[in-house]
Amino acid sequence: QKEVEQDPGPLSVPEGAIVSLNCTYSNSAFQYFMWYRQYSRKGPELLMYTYSSGNKEDGRFTAQVDKSSKYISLFIRDSQPSDSATYLCAMSAQGGSEKLVFGKGMKLTVNP
Amino acid sequence: DTGVSQDPRHKITKRGQNVTFRCDPISEHNRLYWYRQTLGQGPEFLTYFQNEAQLEKSRLLSDRFSAERPKGSFSTLEIQRTEQGDSAMYLCASSRIGAGRVEQFFGPGTRLTVL
Repeated sequence: QKEVEQDPGPLSVPEGAIVSLNCTYSNSAFQYFMWYRQYSRKGPELLMYTYSSGNKEDGRFTAQVDKSSKYISLFIRDSQPSDSATYLCAMSAQGGSEKLVFGKGMKLTVNP
Repeated sequence: DTGVSQDPRHKITKRGQNVTFRCDPISEHNRLYWYRQTLGQGPEFLTYFQNEAQLEKSRLLSDRFSAERPKGSFSTLEIQRTEQGDSAMYLCASSRIGAGRVEQFFGPGTRLTVL
């Protein structure tokens, strides 16, 4: 079992839809949770960062962390064609290297 | 632009050749990470530096790979005797530990193709 599991999709939605992306993890030491967006052949771009459990909102994006279930989510409201990209969840433990452990990434297409 | 930069962006080489990549982190970021990403996968950790000290290496980092960060600024990643299995995107990220935040910011990557 991989430490971080993410459905790789692909996911195709119409413009304006609400998108839900999810990851599960097995390492209870993870304390930092991040979502990155990656366009084709580019580096990952940090979207959201959350420490421990709870919700965080930034514009059309909401990140949720449920440590009791080892489950994190990213919601995108009013999705736009420009949101079409691969979304990667990443997490790290506190202390030490704090290296990121990534999911496989979910490829999202938002159709006009 | 004050983001992470990487050079070259693309490298095509023949099997058995040596290659070297460079990463310039965000100014004043004291941590620098190298990751490798293959098609359809998320990035995988290779190694990291805090200032000039290399503090952790993944078992993915065979002895053909070496990384340095002289003077705690830019970093280089060298692959000796490249193999076709080394073909991947090599990503560099930096962060500033000690400010209470641990976000890592990534560069555009160096795409390596080994023929």
